[in-house]
Amino acid sequence: DAKTTQPNSMESNEEEPVHLPCNHSTISGTDYIHWYRQLPSQGPEYVIHGLTSNVNNRMASLAIAEDRKSSTLILHRATLRDAAVYYCILRDSWGKFQFGAGTQVVVTP
Amino acid sequence: KAGVTQTPRYLIKTRGQQVTLSCSPISGHRSVSWYQQTPGQGLQFLFEYFSETQRNKGNFPGRFSGRQFSNSRSEMNVSTLELGDSALYLCASSLGLAGAYEQYFGPGTRLTVT
Repeated sequence: DAKTTQPNSMESNEEEPVHLPCNHSTISGTDYIHWYRQLPSQGPEYVIHGLTSNVNNRMASLAIAEDRKSSTLILHRATLRDAAVYYCILRDSWGKFQFGAGTQVVVTP
Repeated sequence: KAGVTQTPRYLIKTRGQQVTLSCSPISGHRSVSWYQQTPGQGLQFLFEYFSETQRNKGNFPGRFSGRQFSNSRSEMNVSTLELGDSALYLCASSLGLAGAYEQYFGPGTRLTVT
């Protein structure tokens, strides 16, 4: 199974952008890159996903490297509500999700 | 549109007992996945159902089982409960199996085994 590597934690100031890296060097051609976040005492929440091209939605942007071996989730203006654990996951054609440890994002006022 | 619902939200059981957890997916979603979350092991995939068939399975013992009904609702069962089964059990639904579909998670069922 393809795996992802993320930093354990990242800190950001409120209203500044946050760039969360994810390495997935063993990604296969059919793996989609998914990002989820989990706030304390809640279930994970979908953030964004993509295959090859960069993606944008109201929550974030996803920048995918040309060789697809890494990606970056971009929160354009961090708020206190963005403090959460962010998971980068590869979902293949067979649909199996493998969560890693994720990145704890701390947002400082 | 209503989100994913899970019942019960909290449960206390005794070692050796069995438990059944229920999940109602978002209307129109045909895939339901189950996860176990513990402080030590993080989020671990249990299994995924699509059109009443188990399509994927994680590395859990046979005491963990599930099923999906024709209306896409799903149940998971844990038999002969052990203390280590204490965890948050999360259910997620999606339109389909392939990686193109995102998952939507429920609030979870907090199971405590004493």
